[in-house]
Amino acid sequence: DAKTTQPNSMESNEEEPVHLPCNHSTISGTDYIHWYRQLPSQGPEYVIHGLTSNVNNRMASLAIAEDRKSSTLILHRATLRDAAVYYCILNKMDSSYKLIFGSGTRLLVRP
Amino acid sequence: DADVTQTPRNRITKTGKRIMLECSQTKGHDRMYWYRQDPGLGLRLIYYSFDVKDINKGEISDGYSVSRQAQAKFSLSLESAIPNQTALYFCATSDPRTGYGYTFGSGTRLTVV
Repeated sequence: DAKTTQPNSMESNEEEPVHLPCNHSTISGTDYIHWYRQLPSQGPEYVIHGLTSNVNNRMASLAIAEDRKSSTLILHRATLRDAAVYYCILNKMDSSYKLIFGSGTRLLVRP
Repeated sequence: DADVTQTPRNRITKTGKRIMLECSQTKGHDRMYWYRQDPGLGLRLIYYSFDVKDINKGEISDGYSVSRQAQAKFSLSLESAIPNQTALYFCATSDPRTGYGYTFGSGTRLTVV
């Protein structure tokens, strides 16, 4: 499975936008980019995923570079509840579909 | 009720004991997974099952076994628990056709003393 690289930690102020980067230079044409987050003492939670085009949902936006070698998860207005570890994961949405987690980015949100 | 239910939530057991962690889901998904998380680290895949008759080893299957009793039930066993199996264990389910990703349980915190 192709690897992703994320910063270990990031900080943000409450109610400001947050851009969480992810590099995936060895991504293949059939790899989807998934984002999950894990709040303290909870299991991971699906956030968003995409293949080539930018994606929006009620939780976040996913911006994918034209060459697909990097992507950015955008939280439009951070809240204290968004403090979590965010994981960027590549995976094929086929019969081999299984998630392999890296160490993620720990997001701290300051009041 | 939660979509993915794990029991027990917390367990302390002694070295050498056999222990089973249970997982049930109401999503109707065929695929189920067991992950382990050590403090400060990401999740590592132990075993996964794509249907009742299909069981596959993940990254770290040594010392563990699984049983898929039904579509909705997937249990993880530690035949002879050892202290370095102390960790947080998560069960998950998925259906890639839905596009909504994995649904995880709340986890089982296992301590082996």
